[in-house]
Amino acid sequence: LAKTTQPISMDSYEGQEVNITCSHNNIATNDYITWYQQFPSQGPRFIIQGYKTKVTNEVASLFIPADRKSSTLSLPRVSLSDTAVYYCLVGDMNTGFQKLVFGTGTRLLVSP
Amino acid sequence: DAGVIQSPRHEVTEMGQEVTLRCKPISGHDYLFWYRQTMMRGLELLIYFNNNVPIDDSGMPEDRFSAKMPNASFSTLKIQPSEPRDSAVYFCASSGQGQGNQPQHFGDGTRLSIL
Repeated sequence: LAKTTQPISMDSYEGQEVNITCSHNNIATNDYITWYQQFPSQGPRFIIQGYKTKVTNEVASLFIPADRKSSTLSLPRVSLSDTAVYYCLVGDMNTGFQKLVFGTGTRLLVSP
Repeated sequence: DAGVIQSPRHEVTEMGQEVTLRCKPISGHDYLFWYRQTMMRGLELLIYFNNNVPIDDSGMPEDRFSAKMPNASFSTLKIQPSEPRDSAVYFCASSGQGQGNQPQHFGDGTRLSIL
């Protein structure tokens, strides 16, 4: 089971870039790294997923070093609406979803 | 795309009563998941189905909890009898198949309060 470690909380201001790092030292060869975002009173929402190197979509970028023991979610120019909890998940659905643990997540607060 | 639809959004009932939560997954998705979220324990996977068949129910807390998926477009999570410690937000999610971990699409949840 690839346990993940994230900061409990982070603070930022509008317009800044936010980087949230997740440690996953025991990541397995077939594991993917997936990030979700959760707003209050809503279910988590998929943000981005990667296996190695860098992945970018319209919302965020995901940086994964060669050893894959950590990953960094990068949110460019955050706004107040980016205030949410961000979860890092590591695993392979083919080995069972019970191993895709959400953990405690990182609570991001964006201020004006 | 209507997304995952859960009902009811809120449920308040007295302990000992039977509670039934409902979920309609996204059409075409092969996997359906039931999660429970509390402040103390975070988001926990209770059970998941693949093609309407329960695959892993090891997260179901005890025999009072049961889940069914009679067809590809409907699932229920039942608690009988309910207890105050079952109070939580229950989420249903669905996903398709493909390379890598297909994203799970979550509903807005059912906030359950057992008095």
